[in-house]
Amino acid sequence: AQSVSQHNHHVILSEAASLELGCNYSYGGTVNLFWYVQYPGQHLQLLLKYFSGDPLVKGIKGFEAEFIKSKFSFNLRKPSVQWSDTAEYFCAVNHTTSGTYKYIFGTGTRLKVLA
Amino acid sequence: EPEVTQTPSHQVTQMGQEVILRCVPISNHLYFYWYRQILGQKVEFLVSFYNNEISEKSEIFDDQFSVERPDGSNFTLKIRSTKLEDSAMYFCASSEDGGATGELFFGEGSRLTVL
Repeated sequence: AQSVSQHNHHVILSEAASLELGCNYSYGGTVNLFWYVQYPGQHLQLLLKYFSGDPLVKGIKGFEAEFIKSKFSFNLRKPSVQWSDTAEYFCAVNHTTSGTYKYIFGTGTRLKVLA
Repeated sequence: EPEVTQTPSHQVTQMGQEVILRCVPISNHLYFYWYRQILGQKVEFLVSFYNNEISEKSEIFDDQFSVERPDGSNFTLKIRSTKLEDSAMYFCASSEDGGATGELFFGEGSRLTVL
């Protein structure tokens, strides 16, 4: 079955530290890849997405992610985190089966940035 | 900016009671989804809906669940006889193209507590 794995469940960083959140997926076909963020008390929002082209994708708020096809990975990075980045981050994959796109989410990584 | 709205934001119910969660997707979107997130766990797919019918559903979406688009704007999730394990945050989402090129837009969620 298709799945998305996020290896870090809880991450605590100080402001200005660099961030890398791991995401691996299992699916042999063509996928589209996403990172969503959920700030405390808010809904899921798209940070960035990859469909094709340059495997290094830049998103909002200084986030970027790199798609490495050979490793089935789509890790999220930010060179210098801020207190306002405290949130839960979800990696997601979608792929098509008979024309219907199915989204699968990872378990999420809860990031706490200390001021 | 258009957004997905959900009501109620929080509902507390007794086990065995029926619950209806309401969603108003973004007006020009054609694909609608329900996801749920049990506290501390991953976002799980429940059902997708297109052209007035279910296009896909997960194993979680059993006979106790149903969805409906009763008019041109609302998209509802009904749980006929709630169980304790139905306690979760339920997210409605909509998409313009079902995922081929776009993202999912999520509502802020409806927290269901079953006592």
